[in-house]
Amino acid sequence: ETGVTQSPTHLIKTRGQQVTLRCSSQSGHNTVSWYQQALGQGPQFIFQYYREEENGRGNFPPRFSGLQFPNYSSELNVNALELDDSALYLCASSLGASGRFNEQFFGPGTRLTVL
Amino acid sequence: AQSVTQLGSHVSVSEGALVLLRCNYSSSVPPYLFWYVQYPNQGLQLLLKYTTGATLVKGINGFEAEFKKSETSFHLTKPSAHMSDAAEYFCAVTRLDNDYKLSFGAGTTVTVRA
Repeated sequence: ETGVTQSPTHLIKTRGQQVTLRCSSQSGHNTVSWYQQALGQGPQFIFQYYREEENGRGNFPPRFSGLQFPNYSSELNVNALELDDSALYLCASSLGASGRFNEQFFGPGTRLTVL
Repeated sequence: AQSVTQLGSHVSVSEGALVLLRCNYSSSVPPYLFWYVQYPNQGLQLLLKYTTGATLVKGINGFEAEFKKSETSFHLTKPSAHMSDAAEYFCAVTRLDNDYKLSFGAGTTVTVRA
């Protein structure tokens, strides 16, 4: 069974650029959640996708967007990068169904640095 | 809304000593509670969780935590620290009616002295 994988592991961008981060969910999982973890802080929920539809969003601006594909892999896109977007971006997959608890399994993260 | 407060951003213990990490939560409905561990340059690994039932939960690597509703706490303990326990620990909460979103505390970094 393959766990959650993310690519790339590290990325350096400049302010104003756009970035796409990728996540492959654990085998059999249909839900992907994205979190931003700034240095020295806990992860903050960005959004979740369940069966290719957005299923909840945290307090992040619209320039943070996402996609989930039929194979349940996912992308996080960030436009107009700002310095404060520098963080570790974590993807977590789960076998989702609304109304009940579903454990989230985390990938190793993508470290984004914005200069 | 729910939130988590972890008391103490850094904890230093001697090898073999008790590890105690404190977590208090606020939630308007019964919560689900979690402890995660993060090793350097890695993602989050679930240590243990409380959903329903027994309030003392046991996790991996000898850790356990007790849900105390009256104190809104979910403190993590391990009787005897090992060098491999050096990591960052996060307490998190979610709700039965909103279980897609984990709300994390700011984390506690544990160092273990030989």
